[in-house]
Amino acid sequence: DIQMTQSPSSLSASVGDRVTITCRASQSISSYLNWYQQKPGKAPKLLIYAASSLQSGVPSRFSGSGSGTDFTLTISSLQPEDFATYYCQQSYSLYTFGQGTKLEIK
Amino acid sequence: QLQLQESGSGLVKPSQTLSLTCAVSGGSISSGGYSWSWIRQPPGKGLEWIGYIYHSGSTYYNPSLKSRVTISVDRSKNQFSLKLSSVTAADTAVYYCARGGMVAAAFDIWGQGTMVTVSS
Repeated sequence: DIQMTQSPSSLSASVGDRVTITCRASQSISSYLNWYQQKPGKAPKLLIYAASSLQSGVPSRFSGSGSGTDFTLTISSLQPEDFATYYCQQSYSLYTFGQGTKLEIK
Repeated sequence: QLQLQESGSGLVKPSQTLSLTCAVSGGSISSGGYSWSWIRQPPGKGLEWIGYIYHSGSTYYNPSLKSRVTISVDRSKNQFSLKLSSVTAADTAVYYCARGGMVAAAFDIWGQGTMVTVSS
């Protein structure tokens, strides 16, 4: 099974900050890495697919990079609506999610 | 626009079988290239993929749940279903259905989720 490890588990930041979340796979997954945003009481929302492709309708302040085992999600300038929990997910071999990163207001 | 809607019993007794259905509207579940998944989230915890059924009818399950899971499709009703047997309190969670898209198989459309509690 492929394990996904996100860091940090939680993060405090301010509106306007640049934020980076990291996701590491236990083996190479090429670019089969997706990122989701989840707000309390809501279903997750796809932000980035195939490591770096922006899902339609997602603001351009979100970006993804990486391949192989190491990936990052970057939010270039935090907006109030971005405070949420973020999950990475590998789709190389079945599916596995990371444990999540909770982004809180400082 | 494609939409997914979960339904089923919100309360299941321990050792019994959890049954949920995901109704697909605004598109056909038989459209080629897509997979149809179930994902769950225990209260206050992260996401766990349960399994999926491919448009061809092939199924793939999370190895940790494989012995208890069955996912099936009813093309006439444009829906797919989840059965999870021998449930315990650890199976208490919000259950989501989702579509796996054509690129990187990412979950691009989700249902709103349904809470299932396992309790006597």
